[in-house]
Amino acid sequence: AQKITQTQPGMFVQEKEAVTLDCTYDTSDPSYGLFWYKQPSSGEMIFLIYQGSYDQQNATEGRYSLNFQKARKSANLVISASQLGDSAMYFCAMREDWAGNMLTFGGGTRLMVKP
Amino acid sequence: SAVISQKPSRDICQRGTSLTIQCQVDSQVTMMFWYRQQPGQSLTLIATANQGSEATYESGFVIDKFPISRPNLTFSTLTVSNMSPEDSSIYLCSVKGVPETSSGNTIYFGEGSWLTVV
Repeated sequence: AQKITQTQPGMFVQEKEAVTLDCTYDTSDPSYGLFWYKQPSSGEMIFLIYQGSYDQQNATEGRYSLNFQKARKSANLVISASQLGDSAMYFCAMREDWAGNMLTFGGGTRLMVKP
Repeated sequence: SAVISQKPSRDICQRGTSLTIQCQVDSQVTMMFWYRQQPGQSLTLIATANQGSEATYESGFVIDKFPISRPNLTFSTLTVSNMSPEDSSIYLCSVKGVPETSSGNTIYFGEGSWLTVV
């Protein structure tokens, strides 16, 4: 079974609008962390936001927020006020405490921002 | 956050040759990792680079093909040996933030090394 599932292979959003990128995960470890990364065409992986499984509040970092629904095992990324520079691949990843600090990645979502 | 530098950023390699990728971090970190991203795919962990001991490899990756060195807490190398076109990928170095800082839970990546094997 897939540990991290991103069901949207590609998405379009209009500039200045908000967009939600979906991520669901599967783990039996009570202690885990969820990450979102942005990968532009240059190939680098840019850390965006982190949510720990015991964090009471949803994580926010500037225009990025993580909609963490623990019971549903979802960790959707919300980007507010999209910009043209947001066009990139976005990856959801999970770290499980039992597995040390390795990350398991989803398949990614390609976001395209329209002017 | 940690600043991670990788060399080379890109290279075109001949089949059958080997290439060593370097990863330099601007601070001492305990955990360093090497990932591979094949074209159009997600990232897969190759191994954990352990300082002072042999790397820990994930299923499907072996030391003979991907030897790793970790001589100190700021530097690691990954060698891709006897390359074939199937090894054409982005190879990324990754580190875990320092536990005592606000970035302690974060895992950072280098800029990646884009290898094409012809």
